[in-house]
Amino acid sequence: ETGVTQSPTHLIKTRGQQVTLRCSSQSGHNTVSWYQQALGQGPQFIFQYYREEENGRGNFPPRFSGLQFPNYSSELNVNALELDDSALYLCASSLNRGGDGYTFGSGTRLTVV
Amino acid sequence: GNSVTQMEGPVTLSEEAFLTINCTYTATGYPSLFWYVQYPGEGLQLLLKATKADDKGSNKGFEATYRKETTSFHLEKGSVQVSDSAVYFCALSQSSGTYKYIFGTGTRLKVLA
Repeated sequence: ETGVTQSPTHLIKTRGQQVTLRCSSQSGHNTVSWYQQALGQGPQFIFQYYREEENGRGNFPPRFSGLQFPNYSSELNVNALELDDSALYLCASSLNRGGDGYTFGSGTRLTVV
Repeated sequence: GNSVTQMEGPVTLSEEAFLTINCTYTATGYPSLFWYVQYPGEGLQLLLKATKADDKGSNKGFEATYRKETTSFHLEKGSVQVSDSAVYFCALSQSSGTYKYIFGTGTRLKVLA
């Protein structure tokens, strides 16, 4: 089975721009969660998508938005980028909202300058 | 709210030394508890988990016991190897319709040959 793949691996954007990050979930998984990991910190929950619907959101502003597609892949969109958005963004897939745990991707490193 | 507290690193040990990384949590009810490991440049890998009090999770020589009376889930390994050098994250998950994880800030382990 394939794992979770994220693209791109690295990205540099300018403050105020918009960015889209992509995630392909592990085969058989119907849930995708996104986390933000700032340097030296633990990951912070952004939101979760279950069967194409948002199923929970952390303390992130509305300029963080997402989508899940019928094949259960997902996108994370961030508008009006700020310097503090610089972080590693992790995608994690699971079955049925993650009660048995998640499989994480390797992440996208976003740098905002 | 729910939270996870880990001992600060870095923890530096010689090969074959005994490892303990402390983790305590605050949560209502009965969360599931996890240890994840992150190698440089990679995402998170599940190391072990425990879903109820007194459960012991184990994998690759690592162990942790879910102690509800002390709200702890300390990670131990009897004999570390250089290849164990990584950042270790303790996390809890509690169902509220979304099995989101709350992570600690991570503990960096360096094992010297």
